[in-house]
Amino acid sequence: DTEVTQTPKHLVMGMTNKKSLKCEQHMGHRAMYWYKQKAKKPPELMFVYSYEKLSINESVPSRFSPECPNSSLLNLHLHALQPEDSALYLCASSQGTANYGYTFGSGTRLTVV
Amino acid sequence: EDQVTQSPEALRLQEGESSSLNCSYTVSGLRGLFWYRQDPGKGPEFLFTLYSAGEEKEKERLKATLTKKESFLHITAPKPEDSATYLCAVQARVITGGGNKLTFGTGTQLKVEL
Repeated sequence: DTEVTQTPKHLVMGMTNKKSLKCEQHMGHRAMYWYKQKAKKPPELMFVYSYEKLSINESVPSRFSPECPNSSLLNLHLHALQPEDSALYLCASSQGTANYGYTFGSGTRLTVV
Repeated sequence: EDQVTQSPEALRLQEGESSSLNCSYTVSGLRGLFWYRQDPGKGPEFLFTLYSAGEEKEKERLKATLTKKESFLHITAPKPEDSATYLCAVQARVITGGGNKLTFGTGTQLKVEL
């Protein structure tokens, strides 16, 4: 299995809703990432987990809450989002520390109404 | 701060018309330069990693090269299915605690027409 699987593919939520994005990989990668991508912009790093511990939080607002229950799973919990949070949310994984590229999932297209 | 600049922003080619995309970077201590292809609404797909100046990698119609200041993605005899956004990314910083931060350029949107 050489894939990163993200669910759901599309999500529409109201500003008072609570929802979660899910990411799964079975490649034995020990680093997992959340990126946010707006239209015609590059991906922007949000969070990095290494060996199931949070190693980077790029000053992301607390309405985004990551969780790494085990080495194969990564969740992003969403609460009280704003319309400007609408974007493509990408999960990625890599073998470990330095010098390895990512394997990306197909993303979750999030629309906040 | 790491900076990655890609040019051109958009490129339109006829099928079979070869060209090159540019990625200029400013980092303190390059640990890797990565090329990805991204189709609309999809996640980026890994193409190449380059680690040191002079290195070259090839895959089908694509060839990536690296100097100390920039990387080129050469597309030979492109086909319509090569149409996509091509992203360049660099890794410079070692993350305490593990993981690998990539800084992306804004991409080149390639359109190949019949």
